[in-house]
This record gives sequence, C-alpha cells and structure tokens, in this order.
Amino acid sequence: AQSVTQLGSHVSVSEGALVLLRCNYSSSVPPYLFWYVQYPNQGLQLLLKYTTGATLVKGINGFEAEFKKSETSFHLTKPSAHMSDAAEYFCAVRPTTDSWGKLQFGAGTQVVVTP
Amino acid sequence: EAGVTQFPSHSVIEKGQTVTLRCDPISGHDNLYWYRRVMGKEIKFLLHFVKESKQDESGMPNNRFLAERTGGTYSTLKVQPAELEDSGVYFCASSLQGGGPYEQYFGPGTRLTVT
Repeated sequence: AQSVTQLGSHVSVSEGALVLLRCNYSSSVPPYLFWYVQYPNQGLQLLLKYTTGATLVKGINGFEAEFKKSETSFHLTKPSAHMSDAAEYFCAVRPTTDSWGKLQFGAGTQVVVTP
Repeated sequence: EAGVTQFPSHSVIEKGQTVTLRCDPISGHDNLYWYRRVMGKEIKFLLHFVKESKQDESGMPNNRFLAERTGGTYSTLKVQPAELEDSGVYFCASSLQGGGPYEQYFGPGTRLTVT
C-alpha cells in the first residue's frame, strides 16, 4: 500500500527565511505528486504538481518543489517566507495507474511565520 | 467562475442525530470526490462520483454514511445516526477529468462536531 509522509506537523520560520517542507512517498512506481495549501477558513488550493518531465516544479506564490526519484521525495521550498505563507500544507499523491483520481494525503504541516 | 461550495460550514449535532452535508461542484465537472479529515490525522478519501454514478466508495467508513448525486450536479452526504468518531472536517472536491494529473478543486469543508 502506498503512503505519504510529511516530516513535522508544525514548522516555525522567521519572515524572510527559507521554508522547507518535507514529503516522502512509498511507491515502486513514481506517482503524480501534488502540494496543496489551506489558508484559514478556505479550501485546499493547489500550489504545484509533478507529472512528468522536469523534476523541479515551480508553483504559485514563489513555491517550488523538486522530485527526486532516488529518494522518493518531493520537498517543497520557498526561498523567503512571507507572513502570508502561514497556512497548512499538504503533500498528496495519486498513482499514475489510477484511472479515477483519488488522492492520498500526508498528515499536513502547519507553518507559522514569525516576524 | 464559482468554485466548489459546501453547506453548512459548521454543524454541531448530538450523537444519534442525522446530518446532511451538501456539495456543489464547479459547473461542468463530472467528477466529484468526498474526503474527510479527523482531527490530527490525514485527509482521507471517502468516495468518488462520475456524474451520478458512484465510481469508488472504498473509503466510506460504514453503512451509516450515504452519499448521493442525483442528476449529476450537487451531492449530499448523510450521516445517520451520527457517532462521536464521525467528527471532523468533510471536504468535497471536483475535477473535469478523473485520474491522471488533473487538479481537484476543493471546497472549504464542513466542520462536523458530534457531541
């Protein structure tokens, strides 16, 4: 069975500092990979996704993620945190062989940005 | 274009009562998904509709949960009778296509509290 692991349920970063959120998946075949963000009182919003091709994926709001097959990882980064980045972040996967599209999520990482 | 909407945003009910959650997907999206997040845990898949047909209901916890999507538009998720462990946030998502790299668009969720 596939699993998604997000390291750290809470992360605190200083404004202007690097944001690094870790995601590892367990699958013999690389799945489609997604990062979603949930701001307070809002639905989940797609930040970025990896399907095929270039392993460094750029998303919205200055975020990017790198797919590393050898490490089964898809870590999310942002060079300089902004106060508006305070939210909960979810890594999700979908097997490429899945015709119907259900997502499997990690447990989420709550990001707090301090001035 | 209107996003995915869910109603109500919050619901507090007593154990044994019935609650019905509603989801209106993005117009034209044939694929509709229900997910649930129990406090502190990961978001988990409940079921998937393609138009009015249940394509995958492997995530439904038990027969106290009944989902419908009459006419292939909005969907309802009824919990009857509710138990304490049903508390959590219920998310609805929709997509144009199922499977593949396609994005699912999420609603803000319904927070259900069973007391």
